[in-house]
Amino acid sequence: NAGVTQTPKFQVLKTGQSMTLQCAQDMNHNSMYWYRQDPGMGLRLIYYSASEGTTDKGEVPNGYNVSRLNKREFSLRLESAAPSQTSVYFCASSPRTGSSYEQYFGPGTRLTVT
Amino acid sequence: GENVEQHPSTLSVQEGDSAVIKCTYSDSASNYFPWYKQELGKRPQLIIDIRSNVGEKKDQRIAVTLNKTAKHFSLHITETQPEDSAVYFCAASIGGSNYKLTFGKGTLLTVNP
Repeated sequence: NAGVTQTPKFQVLKTGQSMTLQCAQDMNHNSMYWYRQDPGMGLRLIYYSASEGTTDKGEVPNGYNVSRLNKREFSLRLESAAPSQTSVYFCASSPRTGSSYEQYFGPGTRLTVT
Repeated sequence: GENVEQHPSTLSVQEGDSAVIKCTYSDSASNYFPWYKQELGKRPQLIIDIRSNVGEKKDQRIAVTLNKTAKHFSLHITETQPEDSAVYFCAASIGGSNYKLTFGKGTLLTVNP
């Protein structure tokens, strides 16, 4: 099992450019998440998908959109990148069953917007 | 919404000493409290978690305690080793959902050999 995978690992964008961060999990998990991590700020939830076919806003959704393409894949799109979106982005998934709520994280995408 | 405060932001201990990290939360409906460890340049990984119907949980050198009345929970690491050096994050579930989490800002633990 690869677990949670993310592409790309690194990306540099110019202000106003768009891009999509890809995430996939092979653990048959129900829930998937996108977080951003900034120095001294912890992990902040951008969007989540409690189950296939549903998405909802987290703490910091402005400037982002998501798509739960199927049970395995959950993508994050930046339509018009801004320097404030420079961050490390983590995707996570969780079985969300009665016995396990653990969130499994991907390796992260380091995004710089100039 | 849920607010999680974590203290201290940095902690330095000697190898073999104990380390304690404390978190408080605001939402009385929170029922799930995990702790994640993140080594430099790596992804966060769960090290221990506790649910609201349990007051304490232990796994070898790591333990977590929960005080629901006071809305705080703590991570205790005994006999610290250099490989325990990392950033530790506490988290609390949002609104009783158990699958949405709010994270604290993290504690950088340094274990000096």
